[in-house]
Amino acid sequence: GAVVSQHPSWVICKSGTSVKIECRSLDFQATTMFWYRQFPKQSLMLMATSNEGSKATYEQGVEKDKFLINHASLTLSTLTVTSAHPEDSSFYICSADRDTSQETQYFGPGTRLLVL
Amino acid sequence: GQQVMQIPQYQHVQEGEDFTTYCNSSTTLSNIQWYKQRPGGHPVFLIQLVKSGEVKKQKRLTFQFGEAKKNSSLHITATQTTDVGTYFCAGTSNTGKLIFGQGTTLQVKP
Repeated sequence: GAVVSQHPSWVICKSGTSVKIECRSLDFQATTMFWYRQFPKQSLMLMATSNEGSKATYEQGVEKDKFLINHASLTLSTLTVTSAHPEDSSFYICSADRDTSQETQYFGPGTRLLVL
Repeated sequence: GQQVMQIPQYQHVQEGEDFTTYCNSSTTLSNIQWYKQRPGGHPVFLIQLVKSGEVKKQKRLTFQFGEAKKNSSLHITATQTTDVGTYFCAGTSNTGKLIFGQGTTLQVKP
């Protein structure tokens, strides 16, 4: 159990376009989902915390108008990178919290974004 | 802000040698988690430690949580090539956020 999927796994887009990434918990309900960004050979940086039915909480330095997060249901959160630029190229990973008492996060396989 | 420091950044060992990575937090953690990320993959949850001084084992992996709940270590006995990857510790802060260490990348020479 505790499987999290992400789609797409790879995306290449032109500068100025918007890209939507989906994160789904397949076999459990996740009241909280997290979005991370990881640059090559670096650690995971939390971008935002997404709670079902409410606005996402963004970390300091993360532009909420740039990275739109929608947590429409207990199994789906989406991250939209708006007006993407080459510096937005990164590995975006979502995670879902299955059991709040355990505080264990289960990670999706990640989405590699390349903006040309 | 709250930080989790992890050392070393890289470690190259000969197959069969032991390996240890250390994690230190600037503040007391409610728990600490360990993840493994294979090259090109995503972090996979290994274990969670909650109690002060807790020690847990998974086959050749031994995890420890310090008495003050501010540091932790992961020790691998007799490394194998399948152990290759980056090991991250992540501490849960008092605000509930998971703060990741920088990770230790392990290379194992056969």
